[in-house]
Amino acid sequence: GENVEQHPSTLSVQEGDSAVIKCTYSDSASNYFPWYKQELGKRPQLIIDIRSNVGEKKDQRIAVTLNKTAKHFSLHITETQPEDSAVYFCAASDGGSNYKLTFGKGTLLTVNP
Amino acid sequence: DGGITQSPKYLFRKEGQNVTLSCEQNLNHDAMYWYRQDPGQGLRLIYYSQIVNDFQKGDIAEGYSVSREKKESFPLTVTSAQKNPTAFYLCASSGVNNYGYTFGSGTRLTVV
Repeated sequence: GENVEQHPSTLSVQEGDSAVIKCTYSDSASNYFPWYKQELGKRPQLIIDIRSNVGEKKDQRIAVTLNKTAKHFSLHITETQPEDSAVYFCAASDGGSNYKLTFGKGTLLTVNP
Repeated sequence: DGGITQSPKYLFRKEGQNVTLSCEQNLNHDAMYWYRQDPGQGLRLIYYSQIVNDFQKGDIAEGYSVSREKKESFPLTVTSAQKNPTAFYLCASSGVNNYGYTFGSGTRLTVV
């Protein structure tokens, strides 16, 4: 089955700096890669996603890049703000008609004012 | 609650008891999922269902059971065979050809 590795497990940045979280996946048939943000005690919320036919996608201060050859994808957050502090999860879909996602173990991002 | 409701929010179980966690969605999603979240472990898949009356084991199904009698409902039973059930349980759903999940607000289960 799919295996997703996520790094780093914790990340601390100063407000206004950029943050980058990286994930690798094992199944070359995976074709969908979402990122979720989970604030303390709350449900994960989808913040951005990318499909395998696209190399990069941007939404305001958030961007995701995908390298299918190397089987890795990254989340980039620019001009970080204290409200960006949360746990971020990457995920990859199984190949084929199965819609289930395999998640990384998460990155705790702390943005210091 | 964004169309997917989990109840109860907090649940306490005694040793040897079975407990059932509820998950209901009104999003008309075909697929539903149960994940377990432990600190530092991410989200691990317990069971999932893509259509009514059908479901598959995930990575950590031992000690759990599910049913999918209605499209809207996917209850999870934590049985006494689950040796370490204390965790945060998340239910999610997704539509056909739309891989994005919508999560419920979770149930925190504690063994007392």
